Amino acid sequence: GQSLEQPSEVTAVEGAIVQINCTYQTSGFYGLSWYQQHDGGAPTFLSYNALDGLEETGRFSSFLSRSDSYGYLLLQELQMKDSASYFCAVRRDDKIIFGKGTRLHILP
Amino acid sequence: GAVVSQHPSRVICKSGTSVKIECRSLDFQATTMFWYRQFPKQSLMLMATSNEGSKATYEQGVEKDKFLINHASLTLSTLTVTSAHPEDSSFYICSARDRDTAYEQYFGPGTRLTVT
Repeated sequence: GQSLEQPSEVTAVEGAIVQINCTYQTSGFYGLSWYQQHDGGAPTFLSYNALDGLEETGRFSSFLSRSDSYGYLLLQELQMKDSASYFCAVRRDDKIIFGKGTRLHILP
Repeated sequence: GAVVSQHPSRVICKSGTSVKIECRSLDFQATTMFWYRQFPKQSLMLMATSNEGSKATYEQGVEKDKFLINHASLTLSTLTVTSAHPEDSSFYICSARDRDTAYEQYFGPGTRLTVT
């Protein structure tokens, strides 16, 4: 089986930095992905880490530690449009298994 | 590139009827498509994996006779919810894996199903 744990909600201030953590337990682990989903919309891909370390894409960065079964998504210079749900997901075989999601609230 | 469409975007049907949802990869060929269901404020739950030209593989707890999946071509998969009930009301999302890029999956915009 597999399980992913991430906080259900996080609140941050516009312009600040926020980190969303994810721990996972799964067999056949290939990598950790992050997706963003706005209310009523479909998930959009943000990043994928197959190897340990930090991947940076603009204001978003993602980190993976395979030995710790842990990763995080770092969002910098938060904007109001970043208010959304963020899901970590593991790739197992050819499937993507999603965590329960973290709802990010941004205060002006 | 890598666009996946779903039709319809929203559908309302009466209890007991069936509804078909289409998922198309518009600019790539997808040997594998995936169907997810998402209830409000919950995660995406994988329902089934659809492979072109073969039977779908359903996740544990998903009724294959209720959720019929057909993947007749490399660009089209359909999900038919048969004998729909109000508890089937949900957001159904498909994703498609590009045959040429291995593990990359692209998500459709989703279909909001309401059963009255």
